[in-house]
Amino acid sequence: GDSVTQMEGPVTLSEEAFLTINCTYTATGYPSLFWYVQYPGEGLQLLLKATKADDKGSNKGFEATYRKETTSFHLEKGSVQVSDSAVYFCALSVPGANSKLTFGKGITLSVRP
Amino acid sequence: NAGVMQNPRHLVRRRGQEARLRCSPMKGHSHVYWYRQLPEEGLKFMVYLQKENIIDESGMPKERFSAEFPKEGPSILRIQQVVRGDSAAYFCASSPNYINRSPLHFGNGTRLTVT
Repeated sequence: GDSVTQMEGPVTLSEEAFLTINCTYTATGYPSLFWYVQYPGEGLQLLLKATKADDKGSNKGFEATYRKETTSFHLEKGSVQVSDSAVYFCALSVPGANSKLTFGKGITLSVRP
Repeated sequence: NAGVMQNPRHLVRRRGQEARLRCSPMKGHSHVYWYRQLPEEGLKFMVYLQKENIIDESGMPKERFSAEFPKEGPSILRIQQVVRGDSAAYFCASSPNYINRSPLHFGNGTRLTVT
């Protein structure tokens, strides 16, 4: 079946540090890939997405590139801020009538001032 | 333009009671998804509904859980005879179209505690 694997957390960084959060996937079809972010006490918000190989999604300084050859969609940011502290989820959906999201376990990012 | 509205935000039930969770999708959205988030785990798909129809319930436990999305009113996730293992955050998401063409919009969730 379809699955998403995220690196183990939590991750703690100092402000302005470089961030990489790894995500790999297994899918039966040609998936679309997503990163969602969850701030404390809130629901998930779409951060960025990519729908085909070599696409780069970007938003709020975050980037992720759809790598079909390595089945990966790693999230990066050049300089994190305290306000980026949240839980980050990688997800995929496979096209079809019941296109639901399959999520990774999520990783908690804490950014120190 | 209000987002996805879930209520209640917090729900406490004793073992054996019923829990009813409500979700009002964004205006104009006709697709509703329910997810469950257990501690230290990601979100697990439960059920996908369109108005008056259950499209995919492959993630729903076979017993005690049911969902509906009537023609009028919110979507309801119902858990009968709750047990401690049902304690989790339940999130609803809505979409105007199939997911690949439009992203899911999530509510803030209902946190169910079974005592």
